[in-house]
Amino acid sequence: EAGVAQSPRYKIIEKRQSVAFWCNPISGHATLYWYQQILGQGPKLLIQFQNNGVVDDSQLPKDRFSAERLKGVDSTLKIQPAKLEDSAVYLCASSLDESTEAFFGQGTRLTVV
Amino acid sequence: GDSVTQMEGPVTLSEEAFLTINCTYTATGYPSLFWYVQYPGEGLQLLLKATKADDKGSNKGFEATYRKETTSFHLEKGSVQVSDSAVYFCALSEGGFQKLVFGTGTRLLVSP
Repeated sequence: EAGVAQSPRYKIIEKRQSVAFWCNPISGHATLYWYQQILGQGPKLLIQFQNNGVVDDSQLPKDRFSAERLKGVDSTLKIQPAKLEDSAVYLCASSLDESTEAFFGQGTRLTVV
Repeated sequence: GDSVTQMEGPVTLSEEAFLTINCTYTATGYPSLFWYVQYPGEGLQLLLKATKADDKGSNKGFEATYRKETTSFHLEKGSVQVSDSAVYFCALSEGGFQKLVFGTGTRLLVSP
């Protein structure tokens, strides 16, 4: 069974530029999560989707971050404009539903210089 | 708000040594507790979980018991292997796997 796919694996951008990350969840998984993992910290939930609807985006910095999940499958997370403090690994996870195990992708490592 | 505190690493052990990684939590309700593991170059994987007080989660020789009275969920293994070298994260959730709250992670290094 294919796992959660994320791309790119690495990205380096200058501050004030924009960047987008892509996530393809496990087939059939209705719930999709984006987490931010800053170096030395644990992952922090940014946004949770149930199919193509947002369940929780309370910790998403909405002035610069946006996310969408078109057709309830793939998802993109965008940052515009990026700040130095956005340097982190962005993790995508998916699960059959909100009560079952969430499977994580390998993440996208973003460096903002 | 909810939070998880883990012992700082790295934890350095020789093969076959006993492992304990401490984890304590703060929560308003009765959360489920989890241990996740991240092997080098791989994504986070669920190692074990416990959903209520006194439950013991176990997997791959690792164990952790949900202790409500001490708000703890310490990870233990009787005999570690080199292949156990990884970063271990303690986490909680007030609802299933939603809105996982993670600790900062503890790196384990096992030498032959």
